Amino acid sequence: GAVVSQHPSRVICKSGTSVKIECRSLDFQATTMFWYRQFPKQSLMLMATSNEGSKATYEQGVEKDKFLINHASLTLSTLTVTSAHPEDSSFYICSARNTDTGLAYEQYFGPGTRLTVT
Amino acid sequence: ILNVEQSPQSLHVQEGDSTNFTCSFPSSNFYALHWYRWETAKSPEALFVMTLNGDEKKKGRISATLNTKEGYSYLYIKGSQPEDSATYLCAFTSGSARQLTFGSGTQLTVLP
Repeated sequence: GAVVSQHPSRVICKSGTSVKIECRSLDFQATTMFWYRQFPKQSLMLMATSNEGSKATYEQGVEKDKFLINHASLTLSTLTVTSAHPEDSSFYICSARNTDTGLAYEQYFGPGTRLTVT
Repeated sequence: ILNVEQSPQSLHVQEGDSTNFTCSFPSSNFYALHWYRWETAKSPEALFVMTLNGDEKKKGRISATLNTKEGYSYLYIKGSQPEDSATYLCAFTSGSARQLTFGSGTQLTVLP
């Protein structure tokens, strides 16, 4: 149980285009999902907290107009990188909190998406 | 800014060796400390969540301890096997912000 999928696993796009990444909780409901970003040899950095049916909460320094988050259902959150630039190339990973267990700190992770902007 | 440090950054051990690594975190406003195991191309897998000072958790050959007063946790692997090769992440949750702040991980390679 507690499986989270992410799609795509790898994407290459041209500078100026937009890319959408999906995060799905497959066998549980997730009111809250999280989006992280990881640069090489660095830790996972929280970008935003995605709440079902409401606006996402962005961490300081993360542009909300650049990284659009939509959490339209209890099992799906999407991250859209708009007008991507080479500096947006990174590893993006999501996690989901199980609504049923209600544990404030328990998160289940997807396998991540490697974005390369050329 | 919460600082979570892990050491060493990477290490190589021989099959059968026991090993351990460290996670240090802020000792104030503590809520929980997490250990994850992350294999390449897979999702990070939760190993332990510890909330109380002095907690010790064990799963098979892997165990972890927690000292919240001094702000550190150790992860131990007894009799390492090649399948233990992975990056081990620790993450700290503070009492005020129920979010995970990660260390940069320890990359373990177990040589056959």
